[in-house]
Amino acid sequence: GESVGLHLPTLSVQEGDNSIINCAYSNSASDYFIWYKQESGKGPQFIIDIRSNMDKRQGQRVTVLLNKTVKHLSLQIAATQPGDSAVYFCAENMSADTGRRALTFGSGTRLQVQP
Amino acid sequence: GAVVSQHPSWVICKSGTSVKIECRSLDFQATTMFWYRQFPKQSLMLMATSNEGSKATYEQGVEKDKFLINHASLTLSTLTVTSAHPEDSSFYICSATNQGNTEAFFGQGTRLTVV
Repeated sequence: GESVGLHLPTLSVQEGDNSIINCAYSNSASDYFIWYKQESGKGPQFIIDIRSNMDKRQGQRVTVLLNKTVKHLSLQIAATQPGDSAVYFCAENMSADTGRRALTFGSGTRLQVQP
Repeated sequence: GAVVSQHPSWVICKSGTSVKIECRSLDFQATTMFWYRQFPKQSLMLMATSNEGSKATYEQGVEKDKFLINHASLTLSTLTVTSAHPEDSSFYICSATNQGNTEAFFGQGTRLTVV
């Protein structure tokens, strides 16, 4: 299943299934995007990033897809595990400003993995 | 990745008192640090941007006299919540970066409860 990241929605999946978390960004000038995982009571943890000159990037069990035309970003998690349960945020920036300008965070999606 | 340490991880204080939160970059020099506030089930909202050796830049609606930020060295920034009130209870998160570094590194957050 998939979910749109508005008002912290919840995506519930079965262990072993694939998860798709979506994010819409608003700044057309943004060219650097990051997905973060945040567990309860902890700070955001970097998962994967992508620049606007790419439309897909793969990591270990995760894939980020970028559609600049519709300003949409998605995170795919393969073979979802209970340890993947957390809130996931997309964040955007302009690469020329990284190091000086803060990331802008999306509203987040809670992923619940059912055993 | 680089390590950012935030202290304390949680604090309970009485209404009207002040609380100081520290954010340290342990293995790199942070030219810029960012302070975020996160209310339950919400995303991270930027409070201020802090550059070493200069005054912090506050986001609209954030009272600079209430949230004092000091970034006196390249490895330490502090946020002091002055005359705290229950509505200041929140999760405060810092992140640190250096110019040209595309990734921002986050602290583990501080849960502030004002009673």
